[in-house]
Amino acid sequence: DGGITQSPKYLFRKEGQNVTLSCEQNLNHDAMYWYRQDPGQGLRLIYYSQIVNDFQKGDIAEGYSVSREKKESFPLTVTSAQKNPTAFYLCASSILAGGYNEQFFGPGTRLTVL
Amino acid sequence: RKEVEQDPGPFNVPEGATVAFNCTYSNSASQSFFWYRQDCRKEPKLLMSVYSSGNEDGRFTAQLNRASQYISLLIRDSKLSDSATYLCVVFNFGNEKLTFGTGTRLTIIP
Repeated sequence: DGGITQSPKYLFRKEGQNVTLSCEQNLNHDAMYWYRQDPGQGLRLIYYSQIVNDFQKGDIAEGYSVSREKKESFPLTVTSAQKNPTAFYLCASSILAGGYNEQFFGPGTRLTVL
Repeated sequence: RKEVEQDPGPFNVPEGATVAFNCTYSNSASQSFFWYRQDCRKEPKLLMSVYSSGNEDGRFTAQLNRASQYISLLIRDSKLSDSATYLCVVFNFGNEKLTFGTGTRLTIIP
């Protein structure tokens, strides 16, 4: 079964701690994306990667970091520098970068900072 | 002004009725348009692309009006399973990214 998996589904973190969200895809897609969704707001792009070992900042990259060491994996680290980290985090992938290609989303991780 | 604006709703519509949503976008250079569906606490999924000539997929019809910079989604003979949030999404080739609206929440009432 091809798809995108994210783990964990729910994550609780104390203030001041870094936390890493996992995103894995077995669709053989080149491009991967991280979005954040808050109530009353549209999805906002945090980081994206068009190819292995390369990534770019999105609209709200401050307080986040990513890596793309393998094609199928694009983990997101939420650092203590992120002021309002409580949100629903969605990972997506598309077959190619450049031009529009349908983005497929993972089931998301709900992060709550206590 | 937001890049993509939608009426957040909620729209509460009886089963079998027809419902229409509009979405406006501010960047006249926007080139591709889509409707995504998002069920409660789930991930978004592509519902349909929106073409200049308009397009239909079963009970769903999407229209694009470039002059007025809006897109619409029409759902006919609505089903209980249509209850969801509908996201208007715009793609700009200039910055190669999707811009999402905040979504319109639809509830179909039996």
